[in-house]
Amino acid sequence: DIQMTQSPSSLSASVGDRVTITCRASQGINRNLNWYQQRQGKAPQLLIYAASSLQTGVPSRFSGSGSGTDFTLTISSLQPEDFATYYCQQTDSTPRTFGQGTRLEIK
Amino acid sequence: QVQLQESGPGLVKPSGTLSLTCAVSGGSINSSHWWTWVRQPPGKGLEWIGEIYHGGSTNYSPSHKSRITMSIDKSKNQFSLKLNSVTAADTAVYYCARASVGIYSSIRYWGQGTLVTVSS
Repeated sequence: DIQMTQSPSSLSASVGDRVTITCRASQGINRNLNWYQQRQGKAPQLLIYAASSLQTGVPSRFSGSGSGTDFTLTISSLQPEDFATYYCQQTDSTPRTFGQGTRLEIK
Repeated sequence: QVQLQESGPGLVKPSGTLSLTCAVSGGSINSSHWWTWVRQPPGKGLEWIGEIYHGGSTNYSPSHKSRITMSIDKSKNQFSLKLNSVTAADTAVYYCARASVGIYSSIRYWGQGTLVTVSS
């Protein structure tokens, strides 16, 4: 199985801050990497697919980059609705593993 | 707009079988997608369980492969998950979802999730 490791596990930030979350794969996955946002008590929502493609309807303050084993999700200017948990997922091979999540909290 | 809705017992006894169904509306189960199950234990992260294609092909997580069966009912436009020999560790919110097929697969549509508790 490909292991996905996110860092940090939790993060405190303020509205307007720029935030970066990283995701590392245990082996190369090309650009087969997705990012999801999960608000409390809700199903996850797709933010970024193919490492850097913005899902329709997702605000442009979200961006993704990377390929191979190292990936980042950046939120350019945090908004109140962005405080949630973020997960990366690799789809290069099965099982299509998720990272352990990064909880983004209000400072 | 594609919608998915999970249904099934919210309480299962230890050593029993967890059975869930996902009803698909706004789209056909015969379309080229991976029909997927993901679970989330209380307070923990997401775990991919497995996926099934309309032709019947499946991919299961090796961690649970011996206990999982997924199936598709084309007449009812729904797919199902069975997980046998359950323990308390299988207590989780179970999500059904639709993932795109091929390069750069991703999950764009999710059910709302259903909590299944394993307890006597």
